[in-house]
Amino acid sequence: NAGVTQTPKFQVLKTGQSMTLQCAQDMNHEYMSWYRQDPGMGLRLIHYSVGAGITDQGEVPNGYNVSRSTTEDFPLRLLSAAPSQTSVYFCASSYDRFSYNEQFFGPGTRLTVL
Amino acid sequence: AQSVTQPDIHITVSEGASLELRCNYSYGATPYLFWYVQSPGQGLQLLLKYFSGDTLVQGIKGFEAEFKRSQSSFNLRKPSVHWSDAAEYFCAVGARDTDKLIFGTGTRLQVFP
Repeated sequence: NAGVTQTPKFQVLKTGQSMTLQCAQDMNHEYMSWYRQDPGMGLRLIHYSVGAGITDQGEVPNGYNVSRSTTEDFPLRLLSAAPSQTSVYFCASSYDRFSYNEQFFGPGTRLTVL
Repeated sequence: AQSVTQPDIHITVSEGASLELRCNYSYGATPYLFWYVQSPGQGLQLLLKYFSGDTLVQGIKGFEAEFKRSQSSFNLRKPSVHWSDAAEYFCAVGARDTDKLIFGTGTRLQVFP
C-alpha cells in the first residue's frame, strides 16, 4: 500500500497561473480532504469529499476547486494563483465520513506563488 | 461548532524530562479528540485518539493523553522525552454531528540533549 500520495512535492507559480495538486489513495477510503498549513495557524480545511461525486467546502474554500470522479483521486485546482495561497498543502483520507476515524495524511506539497 | 486551542506555541525540554502538551476544546457534547505528530518535512501521523470509554488513552511512541470533561482538556503526556520526539504536535477535535476535523495551531517541541 502506498497510502496517500501527493504530487508535486514542490511548486513555484506566478500570480495568475493555474495548476492542479494531485492526491490519490489506495486504501478504498470514502472520505478525502485538503488542508493548508500556515505558520501559527495550524491546519485549515479547504474542501472535503465524503464519497465519489460528493464534495463540500471547508473553512477556507475561496480560490480553490475540487472534484471527486473516482474513489481514489481528489485533485485540488487553483484557477488563478495568488501570493496568499503560498502554503503547504496536505491531502488526507479516512475510512468514512465519521470524524472519529483516523485520517491518513500525504507528505504534502509546498507551493510558492510569486 | 467545535473548536480547539493549544496555548503553547513552542516548548523546550531536556532529553529524559517529562512532557505535557496542553489542549483545550470547546464542544457541547462528547467530542472526538486526537493528537497528531508532524516530523520536519513530513505529513501528520496519529499518536492517539479518544471518543468514548476510558478517559486515559495510550498511544504510540510511549505517549498518553487524558480526557477531562470538567476542564475541557485533552493534554498529551510522556514520562521521558527522547531526542526523536522533537516535532510539531497538533490536537484535533471532531464531533458526532459533523464530518469535519478541526485542528489546533500546533505546539513545536524542541528537545535538548
